[in-house]
Amino acid sequence: AAGVIQSPRHLIKEKRETATLKCYPIPRHDTVYWYQQGPGQDPQFLISFYEKMQSDKGSIPDRFSAQQFSDYHSELNMSSLELGDSALYFCASSLDLGQGVCEQFFGPGTRLTVL
Amino acid sequence: RKEVEQDPGPFNVPEGATVAFNCTYSNSASQSFFWYRQDCRKEPKLLMSVYSSGNEDGRFTAQLNRASQYISLLIRDSKLSDSATYLCVVSWGWGKFQFGAGTQVVVTP
Repeated sequence: AAGVIQSPRHLIKEKRETATLKCYPIPRHDTVYWYQQGPGQDPQFLISFYEKMQSDKGSIPDRFSAQQFSDYHSELNMSSLELGDSALYFCASSLDLGQGVCEQFFGPGTRLTVL
Repeated sequence: RKEVEQDPGPFNVPEGATVAFNCTYSNSASQSFFWYRQDCRKEPKLLMSVYSSGNEDGRFTAQLNRASQYISLLIRDSKLSDSATYLCVVSWGWGKFQFGAGTQVVVTP
């Protein structure tokens, strides 16, 4: 079965550069979530999108932006990268099963290293 | 084998009934365990930590079975508002956390 696809799987950037991470949800899933897990930290929710509109916002820095496209894939754009942005970024996608419950699957993550 | 596995459900529960589900983990070095509740399209919210002796918070009871490497969550007197996805999170070592894929619970009138 198709899973959540993230690209690239690994990315190395230098300080002050920009990075774009991509997430391709499972077919028919209409919601995408982004999480950040830094070394020594628990996973942090960044942002979610439903039907191409922002659904919920967590601890996403102002230097980051994200959007969901018409094909439901999502991109996380990160500018002015800092050393502290080095982390595993993983996304999840979900399908509303009704009654406020979603079927959710997590992607494998993109490991970003900022030098 | 996934490091953290959950029965995705959905568990269809009549209002007022009790539901319980487990989360198994494969890393025997796991040290900390948590249950999160996530509503559709929203940020997961910490429901409770899971302690070795088991712990209770109102209608929610969490237990840890280290020998069999699983944690459980039991919800008593289910409310319609309990409908959500319940994620387990397992931690081993410093800063190493893994989400389970979640168990969907649907409470019906």
